[in-house]
Amino acid sequence: GDSVTQMEGPVTLSEEAFLTINCTYTATGYPSLFWYVQYPGEGLQLLLKATKADDKGSNKGFEATYRKETTSFHLEKGSVQVSDSAVYFCALSDRTGNQFYFGTGTSLTVIP
Amino acid sequence: DSGVTQTPKHLITATGQRVTLRCSPRSGDLSVYWYQQSLDQGLQFLIQYYNGEERAKGNILERFSAQQFPDLHSELNLSSLELGDSALYFCASSVGEGRNEQYFGPGTRLTVT
Repeated sequence: GDSVTQMEGPVTLSEEAFLTINCTYTATGYPSLFWYVQYPGEGLQLLLKATKADDKGSNKGFEATYRKETTSFHLEKGSVQVSDSAVYFCALSDRTGNQFYFGTGTSLTVIP
Repeated sequence: DSGVTQTPKHLITATGQRVTLRCSPRSGDLSVYWYQQSLDQGLQFLIQYYNGEERAKGNILERFSAQQFPDLHSELNLSSLELGDSALYFCASSVGEGRNEQYFGPGTRLTVT
């Protein structure tokens, strides 16, 4: 079945460092892909999304490109801030739109 | 604030009991989704309702049930509770039936003792 695999955490970076969180997926057809962020004590918030191959989602300096050839949707940010410390979830909505799969989450801590 | 509300925020109950979690979606959203987040299982999709009808089922146990009412709020009923049901339960809503971004509520933390 469909699934999402994201890199294990936790990840600790210094402020202004470059961030990559890897996400790969397995799906039949053409899923929609999402990155969600969960700040401590809060629910998940949509960070960005892409609905077809080669789409690039971007928001708040974060970017991810839907790569069908490598079945990947890696999250990147050029310069992280302390306020980016959170748990990041890669997610997939299958081609029917009726099933949703989340990765296990990657905890990011940014230190000053 | 996502616009999705969940009550209660915390719930502590004993094994074997039954509880009801409530969710109100964002204004205008017709779909409601329920998720369970636990340390060992991660975030698991349980069930989706769209405009009062069940649309999709994920990893929902038979002891769990849900419904969406005409005013679009939803309730998740958990019965014969076990220690392993202790988790955060999130509700999310979206405008359409699927492939849409979902807006998550703050969650209900359930502790089964």
